[in-house]
Amino acid sequence: DSGVTQTPKHLITATGQRVTLRCSPRSGDLSVYWYQQSLDQGLQFLIQYYNGEERAKGNILERFSAQQFPDLHSELNLSSLELGDSALYFCASGTGAPNYGYTFGSGTRLTVV
Amino acid sequence: AQKVTQAQTEISVVEKEDVTLDCVYETRDTTYYLFWYKQPPSGELVFLIRRNSFDEQNEISGRYSWNFQKSTSSFNFTITASQVVDSAVYFCALSEAEDSNYQLIWGAGTKLIIKP
Repeated sequence: DSGVTQTPKHLITATGQRVTLRCSPRSGDLSVYWYQQSLDQGLQFLIQYYNGEERAKGNILERFSAQQFPDLHSELNLSSLELGDSALYFCASGTGAPNYGYTFGSGTRLTVV
Repeated sequence: AQKVTQAQTEISVVEKEDVTLDCVYETRDTTYYLFWYKQPPSGELVFLIRRNSFDEQNEISGRYSWNFQKSTSSFNFTITASQVVDSAVYFCALSEAEDSNYQLIWGAGTKLIIKP
């Protein structure tokens, strides 16, 4: 157990729908990072939060949004889903220090049908 | 600009062979950190090692070893006497001390296949 909790583990939904992915960071970590990994692809950075504030944005679509709550858990909202959004979505947490790196959750596998 | 290159897209070896995964990085920062992560077929991302730019000592952990060479900007990963369970995608990553967001810059990954 990495200490980063992601729910749900698997999600199957139809095109056009909206889903919410949830992430609880490791105890003590203030930063949360969201990544998307499509089939046989590398890790695409989506967005980062630090202590409730958005810190950095990557290749996140306008249909996607995220937030980090006062208790530091984070949610990634995906709307108007398309077949191409099917992917593994990872949440990672970090202390905010560059020498630490990230601890990853086990991911949410989203399938859009 | 910072960049991490894993030129080997896929490597296939027979069990018990030694295998080295290459990682070359670019950074202007004098203080930076390098990482390796493993992603087995089950999908989770597992942290393997972190290395500071000011510590060029090589590291060995069981069958795993890492060779950090600043002169060639490389941080290579060797698995000795490979096993089928080592089959995974391996990612190399870089973070820079001057990046206030502490972003990790990722390589594209190397898929390692260990055949029995």
